[in-house]
Amino acid sequence: ILNVEQSPQSLHVQEGDSTNFTCSFPSSNFYALHWYRWETAKSPEALFVMTLNGDEKKKGRISATLNTKEGYSYLYIKGSQPEDSATYLCAPGGSARQLTFGSGTQLTVLP
Amino acid sequence: DAGVIQSPRHEVTEMGQEVTLRCKPISGHDYLFWYRQTMMRGLELLIYFNNNVPIDDSGMPEDRFSAKMPNASFSTLKIQPSEPRDSAVYFCASSRDSSGTDTQYFGPGTRLTVL
Repeated sequence: ILNVEQSPQSLHVQEGDSTNFTCSFPSSNFYALHWYRWETAKSPEALFVMTLNGDEKKKGRISATLNTKEGYSYLYIKGSQPEDSATYLCAPGGSARQLTFGSGTQLTVLP
Repeated sequence: DAGVIQSPRHEVTEMGQEVTLRCKPISGHDYLFWYRQTMMRGLELLIYFNNNVPIDDSGMPEDRFSAKMPNASFSTLKIQPSEPRDSAVYFCASSRDSSGTDTQYFGPGTRLTVL
C-alpha cells in the first residue's frame, strides 16, 4: 500500500478557466501511474496510464505529466467545461502491481 | 462487450444477515479486483484474483468477508454476518493483466446499506 496524496481536495472554477491538480506518491518501487475520472453516481473511468519519467499524455482538453524521480504527477484541464465536473483520482502502481487510489480532487466547474 | 457487470445495484439488509455481491468481469480479462468505497477511507482494494486464484486478500477487513471466483466469468463477495459499518459502495473491476500498466475497468458498483 502506497502513501498517495492528492491536492487540492476540492476545487471550484469558472467555465473557461484552466486548472491543474497534483498527485504525490513515493518514488521508490514505482511502476505506473493511472489517472481516473469519476463522475457522481457512476464508476471510475480510466484517463491515462503513464510509466516513464517525463511522460506526457493528452486526451482532448485534459493532459497529464509524470515525474517519477520526485514522485508527482500533474493533471491539467484547459478551458474547463461543466461536464468536466467530477472527482479525479490518481493511482500509482508499485512493485506489487496493485493500484493504490488517492482520495481524489473534486472539481466543480461553474457555468 | 457489456463491460463489467455487477449485481445487485442496490442492497438494503438488516444487521446480521448474509449479503452476497456478484461480479462478471470483461471476457478475456485475467484479473479481477474487489474495491470498497467509503467517505472515510476512499476507494480501497479488498482482494484481487488472477486466473480465478486469490492473490492478495490483505485488504479484506475481517473474517466476516469472503470472496470466491469459481470460474473466469463470475466472482462473489460475501459478508456474513453483515454490520452497519459495512455500508458502502462495492466495486468490481477487471483488467487484461496486472503488469501495472493495464487499465482496470470498473463495474457500476453495488450500494450496500446495512440497517
